[in-house]
Amino acid sequence: QLQLRESGPGLVKSSETLSLTCTVSGDSISSDNYFWGWIRQPPGTGLEWIGSFSSSENTYYNPSLKSRVAISVDTSKNQFSLKLTSVTAADTAVYYCARGGDGTWNFMGRLADWGQGTLVTVSS
Amino acid sequence: EIVMTQSPATLSLSPGERATLSCRASQSVSSGYLSWYQQKPGQAPRLLIYGASNRAPGIPDRFSGGGSGTDFTLTISSLQPEDFAVYFCQQDYNYVLTFGGGTRVEIK
Repeated sequence: QLQLRESGPGLVKSSETLSLTCTVSGDSISSDNYFWGWIRQPPGTGLEWIGSFSSSENTYYNPSLKSRVAISVDTSKNQFSLKLTSVTAADTAVYYCARGGDGTWNFMGRLADWGQGTLVTVSS
Repeated sequence: EIVMTQSPATLSLSPGERATLSCRASQSVSSGYLSWYQQKPGQAPRLLIYGASNRAPGIPDRFSGGGSGTDFTLTISSLQPEDFAVYFCQQDYNYVLTFGGGTRVEIK
């Protein structure tokens, strides 16, 4: 059964870099035909897509965050990571990792599997 | 970027009633790329509907989706106690995902 689990510091100082890792079990992120990505949710508000990648090595980012975001992959550990630079209080959110697609490298936004989420607070 | 607007923001209904949630896109969205999610407090979102009208595995048939172009709807035919939650629509165009602001379905 597919499981995704986010991990990383729960507190980051303003202007520093937020780093999170998603560990995947039950599927290989390097050999399937799905998309893997990050979504965040500020407290009490809606969802914002951050970015996704596919095992075909294509990476896609939210245009509004693109200048500060990088997603990387460690296939040996079946993990992928998020780095968000120059954070401010507006980056305080629950961060989710998720799997998208239908298994044929289509429908990146079909997010059927999610991690439980991890709260990251940006402090001044 | 395609902006998704959901209405109403809050829907107050009683168990057993029918709920109709709306989602409007700022430009036409291919139906295949429109999804709906349910989120309960403290939980990750759960995929309900994909391709505008297809129920995800395990989703009860009281949930149905419809619409095309810029206007989409999620209908819950008879609200059950476990259906009171927040619902989000989402589109996926040209590898950029955007979500609506959500509709909260609360107990009247």
